[in-house]
Amino acid sequence: GESVGLHLPTLSVQEGDNSIINCAYSNSASDYFIWYKQESGKGPQFIIDIRSNMDKRQGQRVTVLLNKTVKHLSLQIAATQPGDSAVYFCAEKDAQKVTFGTGTKLQVIP
Amino acid sequence: NAGVMQNPRHLVRRRGQEARLRCSPMKGHSHVYWYRQLPEEGLKFMVYLQKENIIDESGMPKERFSAEFPKEGPSILRIQQVVRGDSAAYFCASSPTNTGELFFGEGSRLTVL
Repeated sequence: GESVGLHLPTLSVQEGDNSIINCAYSNSASDYFIWYKQESGKGPQFIIDIRSNMDKRQGQRVTVLLNKTVKHLSLQIAATQPGDSAVYFCAEKDAQKVTFGTGTKLQVIP
Repeated sequence: NAGVMQNPRHLVRRRGQEARLRCSPMKGHSHVYWYRQLPEEGLKFMVYLQKENIIDESGMPKERFSAEFPKEGPSILRIQQVVRGDSAAYFCASSPTNTGELFFGEGSRLTVL
């Protein structure tokens, strides 16, 4: 569903630790999922994507896991760095449009 | 290859005026999406357009808001008779197809006084 003005949930992680950001999606027809990173005052930036015929995909320091049974998506960031501090959004795509989740603010503690 | 270009980056309007936000997609991209974002919130889908066609406008208010993506030139999001509640960041994204990644611009921040 859409945000109704609640503050973003925050995840605080020590620099060097791994981060796991979770997301629940709602549309069974969604066949493509994307994680975006948004820094303050900027537009969302693509991080990694996964299609519905996969359950795991790895990039550089990032891994996305997809569990279609429970409609759950997660983003794992290895060795979290201060530059990873941002808001992270999952997005799901069906035939027509891309719908964004509420977002999670990641704070990296030096 | 330039990214998605939005202008103006910041726009101030008084209540009742019109706001026009422009988006030039990446070269070769014919699919454009507009999203709205309030502070500390997620991105809310507004409208999806292809060249000269509106594909999905289910997220756009029926009154005062309109969008177009002409054969030539940028996509335009137009808000007539703005109200304070229209104050937000408006993001445009483009894609070469309707099956892949969206590339976002840096947004246009509208403030209504």
